[in-house]
Amino acid sequence: SQKIEQNSEALNIQEGKTATLTCNYTNYSPAYLQWYRQDPGRGPVFLLLIRENEKEKRKERLKVTFDTTLKQSLFHITASQPADSATYLCAHMNTGFQKLVFGTGTRLLVSP
Amino acid sequence: GAVVSQHPSRVICKSGTSVKIECRSLDFQATTMFWYRQFPKQSLMLMATSNEGSKATYEQGVEKDKFLINHASLTLSTLTVTSAHPEDSSFYICSASPRTSGAGNTIYFGEGSWLTVV
Repeated sequence: SQKIEQNSEALNIQEGKTATLTCNYTNYSPAYLQWYRQDPGRGPVFLLLIRENEKEKRKERLKVTFDTTLKQSLFHITASQPADSATYLCAHMNTGFQKLVFGTGTRLLVSP
Repeated sequence: GAVVSQHPSRVICKSGTSVKIECRSLDFQATTMFWYRQFPKQSLMLMATSNEGSKATYEQGVEKDKFLINHASLTLSTLTVTSAHPEDSSFYICSASPRTSGAGNTIYFGEGSWLTVV
């Protein structure tokens, strides 16, 4: 079955460092991967989408890569800030381009 | 920008009763909306796809008679948890996309509704 997996352990980093989160997928080849931010008790907020023919996508301090050989997407936050502390979810879209399947999410904690 | 609103944000109900959660797209039309459930420290799990003017499509393992979905208009979908039990206590989230969207479209999520069944 199709699986999308993220490191369930929290990632603790110091303010100013680059945070790198990993998303791995197995048994399928998604055409798109999306990354979301979710704060406690809130709905997810869309951050970035990357297509399979794109190796990298950037938005301000955020960068996402998509390696179809490794079946992996990396999500980077440069110059991290305590306000970046949240859970980050990766998700893939089904062929209808609306139905999302989420990974388990990785909680990021940025210490001042 | 596009906004999806849920109501209520928190609800407490007694075991055996029913509770309705609303999901509205505020500035766009959505022929399809999605309902997710999220237990503490777990990811979002898709429950069902709500289709305007037709029956909802439920994911495997989700009881359609327990989780009633009505998508009566292009801006409103409702989820009714019938005969609620404590194990139904969870965070329920809806999502929607603008009607004209296609491949790679942005999906907007509501703020979620906390349901506690006592």
